[in-house]
Amino acid sequence: SQQGEEDPQALSIQEGENATMNCSYKTSINNLQWYRQNSGRGLVHLILIRSNEREKHSGRLRVTLDTSKKSSSLLITASRAADTASYFCATPNLSGSRLTFGEGTQLTVNP
Amino acid sequence: DTAVSQTPKYLVTQMGNDKSIKCEQNLGHDTMYWYKQDSKKFLKIMFSYNNKELIINETVPNRFSPKSPDKAHLNLHINSLELGDSAVYFCASSDVRGFLSYEQYFGPGTRLTVT
Repeated sequence: SQQGEEDPQALSIQEGENATMNCSYKTSINNLQWYRQNSGRGLVHLILIRSNEREKHSGRLRVTLDTSKKSSSLLITASRAADTASYFCATPNLSGSRLTFGEGTQLTVNP
Repeated sequence: DTAVSQTPKYLVTQMGNDKSIKCEQNLGHDTMYWYKQDSKKFLKIMFSYNNKELIINETVPNRFSPKSPDKAHLNLHINSLELGDSAVYFCASSDVRGFLSYEQYFGPGTRLTVT
């Protein structure tokens, strides 16, 4: 089964609003990563949060990690139309040899 | 100065043909990957190479054969193409140091359509 599961599957908001996406995973991890994929493009790494971190910021992005609940959230503040994309969480196995991606959240930001 | 490049970007071919997709990275990473993304955007790892050595080989038909001539290149050859092979194939690279995996850098993808 998928290591990472995200919700919602799709999210539509207005420009300026905040967008929150959630990810749950099943096994122990040493970090969790979020990626963005614009339509027709490859994935782009956004942020990595380590298992000993609870929160991390990067510009308008805020990621939280709760290892006791095996969940993470990605918050995009003051969204822009250019944030329209699919967002994926990804978790490595403990040997670090692979990432398993969630099913993604399709975010649409309406101008 | 593209970090991870793939060719071709689009590939349309008929069932039964053999085709190759090439990938190159100029990031100096030791590890490269092939992923398949289906129409529902589900991204599944197919292969991983570390320093030209195969370390991950998922349950992929043996019609798919990766080849890594050096650590900057990982090519994917597909024999006897089938309709179900239609998907977007992504190459990626990363550093993996010990038990820590770092972010992966993805190529732009190759959209394969089998008719």
